[in-house]
Amino acid sequence: GAVVSQHPSRVICKSGTSVKIECRSLDFQATTMFWYRQFPKKSLMLMATSNEGSKATYEQGVEKDKFLINHASLTLSTLTVTSAHPEDSSFYICSASLEGLQETQYFGPGTRLLVL
Amino acid sequence: GQQLNQSPQSMFIQEGEDVSMNCTSSSIFNTWLWYKQDPGEGPVLLIALYKAGELTSNGRLTAQFGITRKDSFLNISASIPSDVGIYFCAGRSRSGGSNYKLTFGKGTLLTVNP
Repeated sequence: GAVVSQHPSRVICKSGTSVKIECRSLDFQATTMFWYRQFPKKSLMLMATSNEGSKATYEQGVEKDKFLINHASLTLSTLTVTSAHPEDSSFYICSASLEGLQETQYFGPGTRLLVL
Repeated sequence: GQQLNQSPQSMFIQEGEDVSMNCTSSSIFNTWLWYKQDPGEGPVLLIALYKAGELTSNGRLTAQFGITRKDSFLNISASIPSDVGIYFCAGRSRSGGSNYKLTFGKGTLLTVNP
């Protein structure tokens, strides 16, 4: 149980284009999803918290107009990197949490983005 | 902001040896989580701890939630080659409303020599 998927797993795009990454909770409903960014050999950096049906809460220093987050249903959140630049190249990972007594975060497999 | 100090940063051990790593925090957490991340993959939850003093095992893994709520350790017994990876601790505290953000340690890179 508590499986989270991400699509695509890898994407290469040209500078200036936009890329959409999907995060799905496959066997549970996730009222809250989180988006992280990870640089090589570094820890996970929280970008934003996404709540179903409401606007995402962005961490300090994360541009909300650059990284658009939509959480339209209890099983799907999307992250769109707009007007991507080479410095946006990174490993993006989502997680989903179950509301309840014992809440924790289950991570997706990640999406490797390379902007040329 | 909240910070987690995870140590050691890396470990090189022989197969069969036991491993111990820990995290300490400057502030109190309500939950401690331990994850393992393989290269190119997302973190996989190993153990979740919800109560101060709690000691939980998952196969060869054992983790404890410190009584002060500011620390946790993870032990791996009789290591095997597939234990190789990066281990992250994460602490969770309530951060306004119902959003439970995780604070991550910097990770412990474990290498196991066969």
